[in-house]
Amino acid sequence: DAKTTQPPSMDCAEGRAANLPCNHSTISGNEYVYWYRQIHSQGPQYIIHGLKNNETNEMASLIITEDRKSSTLILPHATLRDTAVYYCIVRVVGAAGNKLTFGGGTRVLVKP
Amino acid sequence: GAVVSQHPSRVICKSGTSVKIECRSLDFQATTMFWYRQFPKQSLMLMATSNEGSKATYEQGVEKDKFLINHASLTLSTLTVTSAHPEDSSFYICSASDTGAGNEQFFGPGTRLTVL
Repeated sequence: DAKTTQPPSMDCAEGRAANLPCNHSTISGNEYVYWYRQIHSQGPQYIIHGLKNNETNEMASLIITEDRKSSTLILPHATLRDTAVYYCIVRVVGAAGNKLTFGGGTRVLVKP
Repeated sequence: GAVVSQHPSRVICKSGTSVKIECRSLDFQATTMFWYRQFPKQSLMLMATSNEGSKATYEQGVEKDKFLINHASLTLSTLTVTSAHPEDSSFYICSASDTGAGNEQFFGPGTRLTVL
């Protein structure tokens, strides 16, 4: 699986949009970009994933650059409950038993 | 969404004892389950991949005789930490992969193990 690079931490203001960058310059054509988050002392929670088109769901939006070498997760209106570690992972979809490799993630602190 | 449970959520044991952690997929069948370990302020590290009805595949550096994994059904996998020592104290998290399209992974809430 391709490796990802994320900033170790970032702060954002409650109610504002949070933009979390991720670099994955060695991504392969069949690898998807996944985002998970982990709130303190809980298991990871799936947020969103995409291949090359931008994606949006009730939690977030995912913007993938045209060359697919980087992406940005957008939390449109951050709340205090969005404080967590956010992980950007690339993986092949559909391969049975395909592993998820977690990097360091970005520790996001939402401040009042 | 798919739900994965773990039991117990927290366990404290004496050094030298064995501890069993259960991981269940509650509303879907999981042909593959994964076991992760997470030390404080660190990321999740994959320990092993468990396939129903076959032996688990362990990551490099993980002792298979110490961390026994059993995946006897499509909804249950167990991790047994044998002869636990204080350095085994950690947060253990399982995930289950749906047999449906995409083979998405769903994570359990984790088990906090403290070995005294």
